[in-house]
Amino acid sequence: TQLLEQSPQFLSIQEGENLTVYCNSSSVFSSLQWYRQEPGEGPVLLVTVVTGGEVKKLKRLTFQFGDARKDSSLHITAAQPGDTGLYLCAGENTGGFKTIFGAGTRLFVKA
Amino acid sequence: GAGVSQSPSNKVTEKGKDVELRCDPISGHTALYWYRQSLGQGLEFLIYFQGNSAPDKSGLPSDRFSAERTGGSVSTLTIQRTQQEDSAVYLCASSRRERLGEQYFGPGTRLTVT
Repeated sequence: TQLLEQSPQFLSIQEGENLTVYCNSSSVFSSLQWYRQEPGEGPVLLVTVVTGGEVKKLKRLTFQFGDARKDSSLHITAAQPGDTGLYLCAGENTGGFKTIFGAGTRLFVKA
Repeated sequence: GAGVSQSPSNKVTEKGKDVELRCDPISGHTALYWYRQSLGQGLEFLIYFQGNSAPDKSGLPSDRFSAERTGGSVSTLTIQRTQQEDSAVYLCASSRRERLGEQYFGPGTRLTVT
């Protein structure tokens, strides 16, 4: 069974601080996605990483896919209250059959 | 429409009643997923459709849960004889066949069983 473990589960920080969220698995994924979910809404796709070692930047967010395509990280620079939400990583298995979601990291950025 | 739509947005039902939840995916998306999310939790996979067939029903929690998809488009998730533990937000997502991992979610249906 493929599992994606996210850490930390919960993070509360001050505006302006930096943070990193991790997503780890013992399985190889053909691609990995990061989503953000705000209260009362469905998750919204932020990024897809496909190549081992790939780094993608989205404004203050930096996403990295591990060389072996088993893990990923999301780094936020100078967090803002608008970054508050549930961050979910999801891996598409190599058979392309089903996407596996991590349990999520709940981020709260205080003004 | 431009995005995934779900109806109703909220449903309150009495224990033992049946409910139907509807999902209208993005036009052209062949893959459709149903998830369940309890308060403060992550996503629990329920079922996956590719076209009208459901290659993976492994997440359906009991035989009270069923889903169908007709015409490769709209999907209905049916919960029979609802129980209080069925209370949750039910999310639907769709994606293109060649990019299964890139899922676009609807706003969800909040189900409350009293």
